[in-house]
Amino acid sequence: DTAVSQTPKYLVTQMGNDKSIKCEQNLGHDTMYWYKQDSKKFLKIMFSYNNKELIINETVPNRFSPKSPDKAHLNLHINSLELGDSAVYFCASGRGDREKLFFGSGTQLSVL
Amino acid sequence: AQSVAQPEDQVNVAEGNPLTVKCTYSVSGNPYLFWYVQYPNRGLQFLLKYITGDNLVKGSYGFEAEFNKSQTSFHLKKPSALVSDSALYFCAVRGSGSARQLTFGSGTQLTVLP
Repeated sequence: DTAVSQTPKYLVTQMGNDKSIKCEQNLGHDTMYWYKQDSKKFLKIMFSYNNKELIINETVPNRFSPKSPDKAHLNLHINSLELGDSAVYFCASGRGDREKLFFGSGTQLSVL
Repeated sequence: AQSVAQPEDQVNVAEGNPLTVKCTYSVSGNPYLFWYVQYPNRGLQFLLKYITGDNLVKGSYGFEAEFNKSQTSFHLKKPSALVSDSALYFCAVRGSGSARQLTFGSGTQLTVLP
């Protein structure tokens, strides 16, 4: 079984649309994250949830809204998509500050 | 604010030769340091970490890293490179007092030439 799974793997959409990316982890971790990787491969944290509560919210446009229905899920909803939102979005989970993160395989978002 | 620098965008090495991928960091408090590897079209995979203890840390696939507090460095090393080691490598740091935010370096593309 995949430890951290995110869907869809590829997402191609028009500017102005609203889309969601789903993430689920079956590792029993209490913390989940969303990272954005741009075209230069630079990784930037967007959000972090611990036990369904938002604990990190970096400078991200309000169009991005995370939702955590339970500890095992952290979804990312994006409103009014813009060209600059095109990137690879990674979900990750972890157990604590000293422990490694487990990453999903990424969602390649292309906004046309 | 914490930060990580990977000064080399690209490292090329011949198969069988030793490799080093450099990383320096800046953080308040004691650092928690990590190396991750990313293969094409894949998510990041954990290689090794330094939390406390011995400065030389051994990890997956024969990789190791040396923590140097005075130089604030955590360079990744392998005695003998394989073509299959070719990938993108990320160094990351988290301060011991921070709010669980892991900061990544900009990545170093390692190419091992046959």
